[in-house]
Amino acid sequence: ELKVEQNPLFLSMQEGKNYTIYCNYSTTSDRLYWYRQDPGKSLESLFVLLSNGAVKQEGRLMASLDTKARLSTLHITAAVHDLSATYFCAAAAGGNEKLTFGTGTRLTIIP
Amino acid sequence: EPEVTQTPSHQVTQMGQEVILRCVPISNHLYFYWYRQILGQKVEFLVSFYNNEISEKSEIFDDQFSVERPDGSNFTLKIRSTKLEDSAMYFCASSGGSGFYEQYFGPGTRLTVT
Repeated sequence: ELKVEQNPLFLSMQEGKNYTIYCNYSTTSDRLYWYRQDPGKSLESLFVLLSNGAVKQEGRLMASLDTKARLSTLHITAAVHDLSATYFCAAAAGGNEKLTFGTGTRLTIIP
Repeated sequence: EPEVTQTPSHQVTQMGQEVILRCVPISNHLYFYWYRQILGQKVEFLVSFYNNEISEKSEIFDDQFSVERPDGSNFTLKIRSTKLEDSAMYFCASSGGSGFYEQYFGPGTRLTVT
């Protein structure tokens, strides 16, 4: 059974600082997803990583995937307040199948 | 930009009652999903649906749950006899379009069982 773990669960960062959220998964996975969720809102797709060594960047967020280590990272560069949200990673195996989500990282950016 | 829509946004029901949650997936998508999120917790998979049948379901998706695609656009989740522990946010998602593996989530239906 595929299991996904994220750390940290809570992260409070100062504006302008850099930090990384880690996502480990337990068995072979074909795809790794990152989503953002604002309080009371839905899940916004950020990245889909499909292969080992994949790196994607959008603004101050950069995601990478190491399938050998079964690890994905979400790196935040020069954080700004607008990035405050909960970030979930999710893994999938096989075809267009279910996503198994991590516990989420609640990110708070403080001035 | 196409999006997944869900109705209602909030449903309050009494324990033991039946509820139907409705979703309109993105029109050219082929795969449909229901997930749920209990307040403050992670998102949990319930069921996936492809080619007019269930392709996978979780342990949560017991006999009280059913899904249906009654026409070419709607995708519904029915809970036959709601329990207090069914209170959660229910998200519909779809995939299989041009961004083939990307799953797009709807805004969710908050179900409150009293």
